[in-house]
Amino acid sequence: GENVEQHPSTLSVQEGDSAVIKCTYSDSASNYFPWYKQELGKRPQLIIDIRSNVGEKKDQRIAVTLNKTAKHFSLHITETQPEDSAVYFCARMDSSYKLIFGSGTRLLVRP
Amino acid sequence: NAGVTQTPKFQVLKTGQSMTLQCAQDMNHEYMSWYRQDPGMGLRLIHYSVGAGITDQGEVPNGYNVSRSTTEDFPLRLLSAAPSQTSVYFCASSRGSSGGAYEQFFGPGTRLTVL
Repeated sequence: GENVEQHPSTLSVQEGDSAVIKCTYSDSASNYFPWYKQELGKRPQLIIDIRSNVGEKKDQRIAVTLNKTAKHFSLHITETQPEDSAVYFCARMDSSYKLIFGSGTRLLVRP
Repeated sequence: NAGVTQTPKFQVLKTGQSMTLQCAQDMNHEYMSWYRQDPGMGLRLIHYSVGAGITDQGEVPNGYNVSRSTTEDFPLRLLSAAPSQTSVYFCASSRGSSGGAYEQFFGPGTRLTVL
């Protein structure tokens, strides 16, 4: 179907530890997979994205991996800091350019 | 550039009233979308447009209409407001396929309450 399943819904980590959020989808026509960060009371902002012809992408402490065969993709944040605390959303775009979001993960980084 | 702008920021309606949420972007983006965000449910796509004159339904289109007569504007109309439409509404735009970029730039949101 259209949905993107996102897990976990909440994640609490100690500052300096890594955080991993995973999303799964079923539509094999999906070709673009972004991740958005939303701080409390603010609008969502793109932090990293990956296209279907790439398996991994990194940007400093953030990385995204994509397994097209298994239809899942993950966000990895290393050396977490308190300012990483926010809600993170994954999303997928299908061949009609429709962007469907997961339900979000609330990340808390404990100092 | 102002980016993506939305008006109003807050709105209270009574059941059955109609209204239009305004959205405009000054980045010459092809794609524009409307999402609603309810607590614990993430962002759900209402309607989207891949260019002027073209609109399509998203995940939750019932009770809403859109039109895209210009590249810049993408208003969302609530036909007969219901309490279930109480939500935060975000408009977003992206360059689209011709620009090769799908990053969504979100507006600041409109908080709508239907009594």
